[in-house]
Amino acid sequence: GAVVSQHPSWVICKSGTSVKIECRSLDFQATTMFWYRQFPKQSLMLMATSNEGSKATYEQGVEKDKFLINHASLTLSTLTVTSAHPEDSSFYICSALMMTGDSRRNQPQHFGDGTRLSIL
Amino acid sequence: AQSVAQPEDQVNVAEGNPLTVKCTYSVSGNPYLFWYVQYPNRGLQFLLKYITGDNLVKGSYGFEAEFNKSQTSFHLKKPSALVSDSALYFCAVGQTGANNLFFGTGTRLTVIP
Repeated sequence: GAVVSQHPSWVICKSGTSVKIECRSLDFQATTMFWYRQFPKQSLMLMATSNEGSKATYEQGVEKDKFLINHASLTLSTLTVTSAHPEDSSFYICSALMMTGDSRRNQPQHFGDGTRLSIL
Repeated sequence: AQSVAQPEDQVNVAEGNPLTVKCTYSVSGNPYLFWYVQYPNRGLQFLLKYITGDNLVKGSYGFEAEFNKSQTSFHLKKPSALVSDSALYFCAVGQTGANNLFFGTGTRLTVIP
């Protein structure tokens, strides 16, 4: 259980293109989804926290107009990299938190397999 | 503010030997601690967590971790390493009432046949 599907797994596109990445929780409902960016040989950098039906909360330094996040349902969040440039090339990973009746218990995040974005 | 330190970028161990991947943390309040593993070009897979209770936590694939409050550590261990355990391991800390996690910089484990 607790499978998160992330699509596409690999994208190569020209500079100026907008790219949409989908994150789906396949067998559970996710109140909250997270979007991370990972640079080579570095840890995950949290970009934003997405809650179903509300605006995403972006971390400091992350441009919300550049990285559009939509969390329209309890099983789907999307990240759109608008007008992507070579410096946006990275590995993007989403994760999802399962809905739980006890909000005080910290549940593990369930991760997708990531999307490698390469902008030429 | 929360932080996590993984002091070793790389750990090498011979197959069959015990392994330890170190993690120390800093957090105000009670910590929630997690270990994740990442294989090449994949997302993170959950291994185990400490929320409360027994300081020794057992997780997936024979891994375990020991929570040490006085040393603010949560080292990952396995009695007998397998070549297939070779991967990147991340320690993460969260706080009561907060959903976000802070990740360490990762430790690359290589198990030598």
